[in-house]
Amino acid sequence: DVKVTQSSRYLVKRTGEKVFLECVQDMDHENMFWYRQDPGLGLRLIYFSYDVKMKEKGDIPEGYSVSREKKERFSLILESASTNQTSMYLCASSLGGLHNTEAFFGQGTRLTVV
Amino acid sequence: AQRVTQPEKLLSVFKGAPVELKCNYSYSGSPELFWYVQYSRQRLQLLLRHISRESIKGFTADLNKGETSFHLKKPFAQEEDSAMYYCALIDYSGGGADGLTFGKGTHLIIQP
Repeated sequence: DVKVTQSSRYLVKRTGEKVFLECVQDMDHENMFWYRQDPGLGLRLIYFSYDVKMKEKGDIPEGYSVSREKKERFSLILESASTNQTSMYLCASSLGGLHNTEAFFGQGTRLTVV
Repeated sequence: AQRVTQPEKLLSVFKGAPVELKCNYSYSGSPELFWYVQYSRQRLQLLLRHISRESIKGFTADLNKGETSFHLKKPFAQEEDSAMYYCALIDYSGGGADGLTFGKGTHLIIQP
């Protein structure tokens, strides 16, 4: 079974704090993704990475950055958290390449910024 | 740009009734279509993909390129089908590494 593990299920942070969300996958997948999930808006892609040290902006990268120093780990960073970043954050990974695009998701991190 | 539209935010049907969750898409490449499902308190998971042409948990979805639709259907709904359903698309022109584009989701409620 593919395992995508997010380090926290729930986080509460103050406005202006630097926040790190960690994600680890154990299946040697090439691709990793960060989405945020909001009611009525579905899932929106923040950043993705197709290789170590590589990153690409998704649809809503503003206010976020990412780090991928090792293949199995993909971190999402909120440099200065704001209340509009309160959301459910989902990490996912996929093997990569044609027809290997099924994404496996973590359990999610519900972040509240107060 | 690719886009996925799910017109219904909420769909409520009675147990045993047929279910159809609508999905329309637009794209500029060679897409693959998926349905993902999230049951209460569980992680998002793949339900089915159009290239597999298989039926999962009684659900099927046919890709209609003329109508650019990928509707999800089940002839007889069961209570355990209650969940959030997302239609998603990936464009192969980026080698599949560009990530899934999701619709906004449809909350399916099966009433007893």
